[in-house]
Amino acid sequence: GEDVEQSLFLSVREGDSSVINCTYTDSSSTYLYWYKQEPGAGLQLLTYIFSNMDMKQDQRLTVLLNKKDKHLSLRIADTQTGDSAIYFCAESSPDAGSYQLTFGKGTKLSVIP
Amino acid sequence: GAGVSQSPSNKVTEKGKDVELRCDPISGHTALYWYRQRLGQGLEFLIYFQGNSAPDKSGLPSDRFSAERTGESVSTLTIQRTQQEDSAVYLCASSSQLGLGQDTQYFGPGTRLTVL
Repeated sequence: GEDVEQSLFLSVREGDSSVINCTYTDSSSTYLYWYKQEPGAGLQLLTYIFSNMDMKQDQRLTVLLNKKDKHLSLRIADTQTGDSAIYFCAESSPDAGSYQLTFGKGTKLSVIP
Repeated sequence: GAGVSQSPSNKVTEKGKDVELRCDPISGHTALYWYRQRLGQGLEFLIYFQGNSAPDKSGLPSDRFSAERTGESVSTLTIQRTQQEDSAVYLCASSSQLGLGQDTQYFGPGTRLTVL
């Protein structure tokens, strides 16, 4: 079945760039998403990318997609303490029902002042 | 406008009791989803409602779990005879299902369920 893998922890200094990586197994994935979860809060959609794109930029966020290697990354420029949270990669594919998301376990980003 | 809301925010119950969790989706959203998030894990899909179609229950872990939705509004997730392994955060999401190929799911804050 589908699987989404992420490293569990990342620590960066304030002002540096953060890069969170994700790999997925379903080659028929149509959309890939990044969600942010702050303590005690629900998931906030940060950005998404369609599988026929290889890059998407939105202010401080850059998403890179390598479809051949099934690798997705999220780069956060000028990381701030407010960016500390858990970041989830998720994918949807027609096989799972295009409405169903498969999530990774999340990467906990810690920003050191 | 208002986002997805869930109640209660926290629920502590004893093993064997039934619990009912509520989700109010964003007004106008026809699709509603329930997920479970165990400690340190990603989200597990539980059930999906879309309009008047039969719900997709493929993610429900056992027959102790059930969910209902009234029209395109409130949904309740019921867990009967709760077990300690049911302890988790239960998240609800809704989406507009515009049929444009991409359908963003907006999540509520979740209900943290603890079964003693």
